[in-house]
Amino acid sequence: AQKVTQAQTEISVVEKEDVTLDCVYETRDTTYYLFWYKQPPSGELVFLIRRNSFDEQNEISGRYSWNFQKSTSSFNFTITASQVVDSAVYFCALSEANQAGTALIFGKGTTLSVSS
Amino acid sequence: SQTIHQWPATLVQPVGSPLSLECTVEGTSNPNLYWYRQAAGRGLQLLFYSVGIGQISSEVPQNLSASRPQDRQFILSSKKLLLSDSGFYLCAWNYGQISYEQYFGPGTRLTVT
Repeated sequence: AQKVTQAQTEISVVEKEDVTLDCVYETRDTTYYLFWYKQPPSGELVFLIRRNSFDEQNEISGRYSWNFQKSTSSFNFTITASQVVDSAVYFCALSEANQAGTALIFGKGTTLSVSS
Repeated sequence: SQTIHQWPATLVQPVGSPLSLECTVEGTSNPNLYWYRQAAGRGLQLLFYSVGIGQISSEVPQNLSASRPQDRQFILSSKKLLLSDSGFYLCAWNYGQISYEQYFGPGTRLTVT
């Protein structure tokens, strides 16, 4: 069965620190997709990235970077030089290409607090 | 560009009262539509999804129901609310492959008293 684990419940950092949010997943499918979402205090989930299982290339977008390692079933998210506006709950999610009527399987989320 | 709307934004309802939450998507045709519930500020649970008008799939048995009367309209209903129905309800959409990323609406915060 598919599962997403975000072991870090809460992380607190001071502005300009780098922070890494961990995500470990389980799936039996060979084709799957991994996602990260941000949920600010307003509540709306904001899509950040999708990564396909056949593409292990890491990705960088501004201060955000993602490290995908199939060998350890991990898809970690790093924020460089964190800012107060990064404070939010971050969710990692998984979907399987071959599962009919699929949904996004979400982890329980990591609450990131960035103080000034 | 596509936008997704949900209303109401907040709702306080007594136990045993009916419920109707509405979600509409603009700027796309034949989207896949989803209802999620987030309880206690955590963990999103998929409640229903729809790949077309009148097509509803339920993921979790409960006293909620969903309908899709129009292509871009998705409604979540209940005949009698329970205390356990309190939570944050999120509507989402995507198109094409159902496995791809979903885009979420602003949510409805429901408190059952």
